[in-house]
Amino acid sequence: EDQLVESGGGLVKPGGSLRLSCVGSGFTLSGYSMIWVRQAPGKGLEWVSSISPSSSYLSYADSVKGRCTVSRDNPRKTVDLQLTSLRVEDTGIYYCARRPGELAVFDLWGQGTMVTVSS
Amino acid sequence: QSVLTQPPSVSGAPGQRVTISCTGSSSNIGKGYDVHWYQQLPGRAPKPLIYGNSNRPSGVPDRFSGFTSGASASLAINGLQPEDEADYYCHSYDSNVSGSVFGGGTKVTVL
Repeated sequence: EDQLVESGGGLVKPGGSLRLSCVGSGFTLSGYSMIWVRQAPGKGLEWVSSISPSSSYLSYADSVKGRCTVSRDNPRKTVDLQLTSLRVEDTGIYYCARRPGELAVFDLWGQGTMVTVSS
Repeated sequence: QSVLTQPPSVSGAPGQRVTISCTGSSSNIGKGYDVHWYQQLPGRAPKPLIYGNSNRPSGVPDRFSGFTSGASASLAINGLQPEDEADYYCHSYDSNVSGSVFGGGTKVTVL
């Protein structure tokens, strides 16, 4: 069964850093673009970042640009999201998702990992 | 303020038809980019419901259907069921953002 599992969330103070990880299983990670989407408590979905299959193309939402770095290790089947200079408004559930083609649907999602930014 | 606009809530009795609109602009839906829909049950991760404007993934009941017209899209639920109570999100690509955009989400309540 295809599966994505996120980890690395937690409580961090404003200005702090966090590294989120996503492990894929049951499929070949290198065949897919990978996406990070977040959801603030009680709010809607917000696209955060995308990384192409070979890491040649990276993109970020304006809300995290300059504070966020996405990377992947295809042999290890992992995708990471490094968040720095965290703000209270970065609080939320961070989901990892799979995209099978350019502009395609996010067809597989992980269960999410919670990030809380608070003093 | 989401780039794609959805009504905050819709409701209907069991068996009724409800529709959820998703209004975009010339930089996303109006430019011809595909629209996808997700269902998010309480406390769960989103799940794809419609992809490529009108296609259903395997396992999604045929009472769910998607349409696009101009710069807007719609999701219809025919024969509303109690288990359809959830939040629904539309998703597309936006050339101004150079990335994905979502609607603000619509909560469907079964009366």
